[in-house]
Amino acid sequence: DAGVTQSPTHLIKTRGQQVTLRCSPKSGHDTVSWYQQALGQGPQFIFQYYEEEERQRGNFPDRFSGHQFPNYSSELNVNALLLGDSALYLCASSSRQTHLGETQYFGPGTRLLVL
Amino acid sequence: GNSVTQMEGPVTLSEEAFLTINCTYTATGYPSLFWYVQYPGEGLQLLLKATKADDKGSNKGFEATYRKETTSFHLEKGSVQVSDSAVYFCALRESGGYQKVTFGTGTKLQVIP
Repeated sequence: DAGVTQSPTHLIKTRGQQVTLRCSPKSGHDTVSWYQQALGQGPQFIFQYYEEEERQRGNFPDRFSGHQFPNYSSELNVNALLLGDSALYLCASSSRQTHLGETQYFGPGTRLLVL
Repeated sequence: GNSVTQMEGPVTLSEEAFLTINCTYTATGYPSLFWYVQYPGEGLQLLLKATKADDKGSNKGFEATYRKETTSFHLEKGSVQVSDSAVYFCALRESGGYQKVTFGTGTKLQVIP
């Protein structure tokens, strides 16, 4: 049973560019959440997708957007990159169908460096 | 809003020492509580969890008890090993809603032989 997978593992971009990160949830999971983890900090919640809609959003600007596909996989898009966007981006999946006891499982992350 | 406060690190211990990492939280309702571990260069792994007051989560010799009266979820291990060296994150998942998880800032543990 494959866990949460993310691609790419590493990425280097320059300021002003746009980036797309991808996530495939654990088998049987229907909900995907995205987090940003700056160096030496805890993960910060960006947003969560369920049934192909954004359900909840953290304190991140509109430059951060996402999408969920019918197969539950998800993309995170960041426009007009800033140096401060350099971080580890984590995807987590869970299942709403098993009620509130379900745990989020994390992928290995995509490390983004903005120069 | 919800928040999680962890003791600041780094924490340096000798092998076989007793470990405590303090965690307190602020939340409305009845959140679920978690400890995640992050090894260097890797993502987060679930270490243990507790979903209601007085529950004790345990895994790999680590344990933590959900104390609603003190809003705490301290992580303990009786005898640490060098392989336990990692960053430990306390987290809560709000009750209801869409399961947003709030993390603490993490506590780095270094175990020396």
